[in-house]
Amino acid sequence: KQEVTQIPAALSVPEGENLVLNCSFTDSAIYNLQWFRQDPGKGLTSLLLIQSSQREQTSGRLNASLDKSSGRSTLYIAASQPGDSATYLCAVRGHTGANSKLTFGKGITLSVRP
Amino acid sequence: GAVVSQHPSWVICKSGTSVKIECRSLDFQATTMFWYRQFPKQSLMLMATSNEGSKATYEQGVEKDKFLINHASLTLSTLTVTSAHPEDSSFYICSARDPARGAGELFFGEGSRLTVL
Repeated sequence: KQEVTQIPAALSVPEGENLVLNCSFTDSAIYNLQWFRQDPGKGLTSLLLIQSSQREQTSGRLNASLDKSSGRSTLYIAASQPGDSATYLCAVRGHTGANSKLTFGKGITLSVRP
Repeated sequence: GAVVSQHPSWVICKSGTSVKIECRSLDFQATTMFWYRQFPKQSLMLMATSNEGSKATYEQGVEKDKFLINHASLTLSTLTVTSAHPEDSSFYICSARDPARGAGELFFGEGSRLTVL
C-alpha cells in the first residue's frame, strides 16, 4: 500500500528565503507525482506535475524534482513571499496509468512572514 | 483551461436530511471524476471514482448507500450524502482529469464544506 509522507507538518520562514518542501513515498512504482497548493477552506490548485520518466519540472519560482528510485520529491520555492503561505500537498499516482489512484500526503503548512 | 467547479461551497443541514453536491467540468469533458473527503489537517481520502454512464467504484470502507454518486453526463457528477449525520461533516472535494491533456494531471474543484447539526 502506497504511503506518502510530508515532514515537517508546518514551516515558518521570513520573506525572501529560498525553501525546500520534502515528500517521500514508499512504493517507487508510480505513474506521476503532482504538487498542489491548498488555501484554507479551499480546493486544490495544481502546481506541478512530474511524470515518472522525468527528473524535474519548473514553473516560475517553483521547481519540483523527482527521484523515483529513492521515493523522494522536493518542491523548491525561490524568494518566498507572504502570498506563498498555504498548505502544500504532494500526491503520487499508481503505476497502472492516468486513471489510477492518487495517494496524498498530509501536506506542509507554510507561513511566510513579511 | 481545465476548470472544475463545485456547488455548493458550503452547506449546513439537519441530521437525517440528504445533501447533494455537484461537480462540473466547465471547459472539458470528463469521463471520470473522483470524490475525496478531507478531515482537518489530514490527507485527502479517495471515496469513489465516478464513471460517466456507469456505476461508481467505491473505495473500501465507503458506504455505497450512504454516498450516492451519479455521473449522468460528461461534465457533471453529483455526490448525495443520504440521511446525513454529524460524523458526515467534512470537506468534500471532487476532481477530474482532462483526457485531452493526456498527462494524467488532476484538477480539483473548490470543495464543499458540509456541516450536519
